[in-house]
Amino acid sequence: LAKTTQPPSMEAYEGQEVNVSCSHTNIATSEYIYWYRQVPHQGPQFIIQGYKDYVVNEVASLFISADRKLSTLSLPWVSLRDAAVYYCIVTVNYNQGKLIFGQGTKLSIKP
Amino acid sequence: EAAVTQSPRSKVAVTGGKVTLSCHQTNNHDYMYWYRQDTGHGLRLIHYSYVADSTEKGDIPDGYKASRPSQENFSLILELASLSQTAVYFCASSEGDSSGNTLYFGEGSRLIVV
Repeated sequence: LAKTTQPPSMEAYEGQEVNVSCSHTNIATSEYIYWYRQVPHQGPQFIIQGYKDYVVNEVASLFISADRKLSTLSLPWVSLRDAAVYYCIVTVNYNQGKLIFGQGTKLSIKP
Repeated sequence: EAAVTQSPRSKVAVTGGKVTLSCHQTNNHDYMYWYRQDTGHGLRLIHYSYVADSTEKGDIPDGYKASRPSQENFSLILELASLSQTAVYFCASSEGDSSGNTLYFGEGSRLIVV
C-alpha cells in the first residue's frame, strides 16, 4: 500500500479557501485516494474519494495530479467548524475498510 | 440519531481487570471495526468482522478479543487490561462492497487503565 505524506499542520482564516496536499509517490494503479477528517472528541468522518482528475461533492473538492502522485483536498469558505485533523488515505477499492490512518494534517481556523 | 453508538463513552479500569467495550450500529452494514487511537496519532485497526459470529484480526490484535453476536453488535474485550491499552477506541461500520472504504465511526470510548 502506498505511503502518504501530508503537512503536519496548517492555519487559515474563516472564509478562506483551504487546500490540503497529500503526496503519494508510490501509488499503485489499483489504489484510490480517500480523505477523512476528525474533529476533537469525535470519530473520523469520510469526506471524499477519487481515482484521477477531479471529484467534487457538497463538502469538498479533490484534485488529483495527472501522474496521481499528488492530491489536493480543497475546502471552500472554511469556518471554525472545519478545524480538524484531515487524513489522506491511499488504498485499494476493495480493502474492506481496513484503513491505515497516518498523523494527518491539523487544520486550525482563525476567526 | 447516531448510527454507530458506543458504550461506555469513558471508563477507568485497573490493570489486570477485564474490560468490555460495546458497539451498536443501525446502518444495516455487514462490516464492523474496532480501531484504537493514541494521543496525537492516527487510528490503528484492532479487529474487524464482516458477518455475525465471525471476527478477523486487524493490524494490532494482541491483547484484544472481539465478539460479533449479531449484525448490529460488535464488542471489544480486554481480558487483562494493561497500562499500554490506555487509548481512545473507535467502532465503525461499512457496507463492505465497492463502498467498503467509507466507514461510519462512533464517537469513541476513552479508556484509562491505572
